[in-house]
Parts: sequence; C-alpha cells; structure tokens
Amino acid sequence: KNEVEQSPQNLTAQEGEFITINCSYSVGISALHWLQQHPGGGIVSLFMLSSGKKKHGRLIATINIQEKHSSLHITASHPRDSAVYICAVRSGWAAGNKLTFGGGTRVLVKP
Amino acid sequence: EPEVTQTPSHQVTQMGQEVILRCVPISNHLYFYWYRQILGQKVEFLVSFYNNEISEKSEIFDDQFSVERPDGSNFTLKIRSTKLEDSAMYFCASSESDSPNVGSPLHFGNGTRLTVT
Repeated sequence: KNEVEQSPQNLTAQEGEFITINCSYSVGISALHWLQQHPGGGIVSLFMLSSGKKKHGRLIATINIQEKHSSLHITASHPRDSAVYICAVRSGWAAGNKLTFGGGTRVLVKP
Repeated sequence: EPEVTQTPSHQVTQMGQEVILRCVPISNHLYFYWYRQILGQKVEFLVSFYNNEISEKSEIFDDQFSVERPDGSNFTLKIRSTKLEDSAMYFCASSESDSPNVGSPLHFGNGTRLTVT
C-alpha cells in the first residue's frame, strides 16, 4: 500500500513570497496529482504528472520518480492562493484513478 | 467551462436510512469516480466506473454501497443503510481518459456533505 506524506502540514506566507509544498510516497507510481481544496470544500485539479515538470501560471509542479518525491511551487503568492493543497498518487498503470491521498498542506497567504 | 455537478449539497439522514447522492459528470467523459472525506481526515477512493460497470473499488465500498448510471447523464451513489461513520463529504469526479499518459485531468464536483444522525 502506498503511503503518501506531505510537508509541511501548515504554512503561512506573506503575499509575494515563494511557497514550496512537498510530497513523498513509498511505492512507485504511474502518475501524481496535485489538487487544491477551497475553504468551502470543493476540489480542483491543478496538475497530473508522471515525469519532469509542469507549469501553469504561477504554479509549478515537479516530480522525481527515482526519489519518489514531488514538489508544488507557488511563485508570487497571493491571498487567493489560500487553500489546502493535496497530493494524490496513482500506484500502477492499471490502477486507474484509484488514488491514494496525502493529508494536505494548509496554506494561508497574508496580504 | 463544463463542470461536474452534485446534488444535494448537504443531506441529513437518520441512521439506517437509504440515501442516494447524485452527480452529473461532464458530458463527454467516460470514467466516473466517487471519493469521500471524513471531517479532518484524508480523501479516500471509493469506486471507479466505466462502460456501465465498476472497474475498481476500495475496501470501504462494501455491500452497503452501490453505484449506477441510470441514464445518459446521471451517476449515483447509494448507501443502503447509513451508519454514523458514513458521515463525510462525498465527491464525484469524472475524466475523459483513465490513462496517465494522456494527461486527462480529474474534474471534481463540489461535494455532498452527508450527515448521519
């Protein structure tokens, strides 16, 4: 069974700061998702990646398959980035979206 | 942008009652999922559904749970006899493809908060 750990659990930043959230997993995967959960509970998919790096706006996601580690970076953070960020992994090619989720990182960006 | 819609947003039921949670996935999506999040805990996978049948299910998804696509648009999760521990936020999601290579993202609904009293 894949164990997914995120760090830190909580993060407070000032507007404009660079933020990094880390995700480690214990068993090889076919894909990793980064998700954003808003205060109201809704979940939005940010990235799905299986290698390398992806960028969307101020968000960058990287993954190192050999080290079983992924990072989500937020550049020039803004109060609207305040949310819980969740990493979720898909353990095998046939696993479908039977995802194993991390516990989330709660991010608060202060103006 | 098309979105996954879930109804109701909040459902309160008594222990032992049956509940049906409803979802309308994005229209051209072929893969459908239910996840749940007990308050303060991690999100957990329940079931995936493709081509009118369950493709994967977790240990949580026991005989009390069932899923159905009764028509071309709805995707439902039924809990036959609710227990207190079924209280959670239930998320429906859909995707175009199930392959990690295609890069088809998951689209989530806003969730149904189920409270069992």
